[in-house]
Amino acid sequence: ILNVEQSPQSLHVQEGDSTNFTCSFPSSNFYALHWYRWETAKSPEALFVMTLNGDEKKKGRISATLNTKEGYSYLYIKGSQPEDSATYLCAFIGYNNNDMRFGAGTRLTVKP
Amino acid sequence: DVKVTQSSRYLVKRTGEKVFLECVQDMDHENMFWYRQDPGLGLRLIYFSYDVKMKEKGDIPEGYSVSREKKERFSLILESASTNQTSMYLCASSRRGVSEAFFGQGTRLTVV
Repeated sequence: ILNVEQSPQSLHVQEGDSTNFTCSFPSSNFYALHWYRWETAKSPEALFVMTLNGDEKKKGRISATLNTKEGYSYLYIKGSQPEDSATYLCAFIGYNNNDMRFGAGTRLTVKP
Repeated sequence: DVKVTQSSRYLVKRTGEKVFLECVQDMDHENMFWYRQDPGLGLRLIYFSYDVKMKEKGDIPEGYSVSREKKERFSLILESASTNQTSMYLCASSRRGVSEAFFGQGTRLTVV
């Protein structure tokens, strides 16, 4: 079974704090990495699609980096807001086929 | 507006019943996926399909089968439901390659 790991499992921060979490994945056979946000009672929605080593992507206060050689990606949230509370998932897509495997997610709670 | 639709939001079935979970997408996507989500375990891949009539086992295929007779529809079949298949089931679809996936709303299945 392909191992995609996320840490920490959960995180509680105060409004205004900046935070980051990690996704680690196999460095061989890499094709793409996705980040998704999953809010309660909704479906997961894509934040970023990352393909190149050294990629940095940004959407508002959220950004992500990618290191395919060592097999990790970081997601950063600057100045967390209560509406950022969600589970953040990363998904690894391997080169040989089209399967998409997820980590267990990081559950973020932002307290006002 | 892109759409992935799962046939039921909530389902209660008896042990031993044959259960069909249906997923339809309207985006002409090649790839379709079935996941189950359990607390602390994230999204685990059951089966995926990269084309009509094509299917590949994911990490936890035991007790499940799938059918993809048309491009837009991907069915998950529980041949003989058991209580350990009580879970949230999520369907997703994506274009072939690195593209982001789009998810259905989920089916919460309870097997009694």
